[in-house]
Amino acid sequence: GQQVMQIPQYQHVQEGEDFTTYCNSSTTLSNIQWYKQRPGGHPVFLIQLVKSGEVKKQKRLTFQFGEAKKNSSLHITATQTTDVGTYFCAGFEGSGGSNYKLTFGKGTLLTVNP
Amino acid sequence: DVKVTQSSRYLVKRTGEKVFLECVQDMDHENMFWYRQDPGLGLRLIYFSYDVKMKEKGDIPEGYSVSREKKERFSLILESASTNQTSMYLCASSLQRWFGGYYNSPLHFGNGTRLTVT
Repeated sequence: GQQVMQIPQYQHVQEGEDFTTYCNSSTTLSNIQWYKQRPGGHPVFLIQLVKSGEVKKQKRLTFQFGEAKKNSSLHITATQTTDVGTYFCAGFEGSGGSNYKLTFGKGTLLTVNP
Repeated sequence: DVKVTQSSRYLVKRTGEKVFLECVQDMDHENMFWYRQDPGLGLRLIYFSYDVKMKEKGDIPEGYSVSREKKERFSLILESASTNQTSMYLCASSLQRWFGGYYNSPLHFGNGTRLTVT
């Protein structure tokens, strides 16, 4: 079945440093979603990428979807303490897969030292 | 704003008990999901439902069953709870949308139920 790998598992940065998490799928994805889970909270949807090579920005967050639609990344510029949490990618498989089912990566836990 | 409500935030049950976890959403979403979240393992799909009385197995359905008698309510049932089912359980819902041939819709999660089986 579909697998979504996410690296790194943990990342600790100083406030103001940049942060990137990467997501790779074993199969072509129809689209990919990103979620953020604050400590003690539940995952909250951030964004969805659909097109090959798509780049979207939300303030200091930049999301990219690879040309082959098998990988994606989330980059945070100049991290702040409010960025702390676990970031998950989640993909819908391409043709032949279940169209209802998201497969989540294991997430990257970001901690920020003020 | 979408609200997904899980009936209990914390639950402690004994091994062998039958356990019901309830989830209700108020936005008329067609899809509903049950995930469990464990440290280092991320979110793993147990079951999902795309319509009333319809259900499909996710990646780890063993030891669980589900019920969806009404569109807004999706129940997860542990027939005979075991200690390895101690976990955080997250319910989610989403709209069914058609976009370029695929259903794509953000998941809205509940606050989770932390279940401890002793």
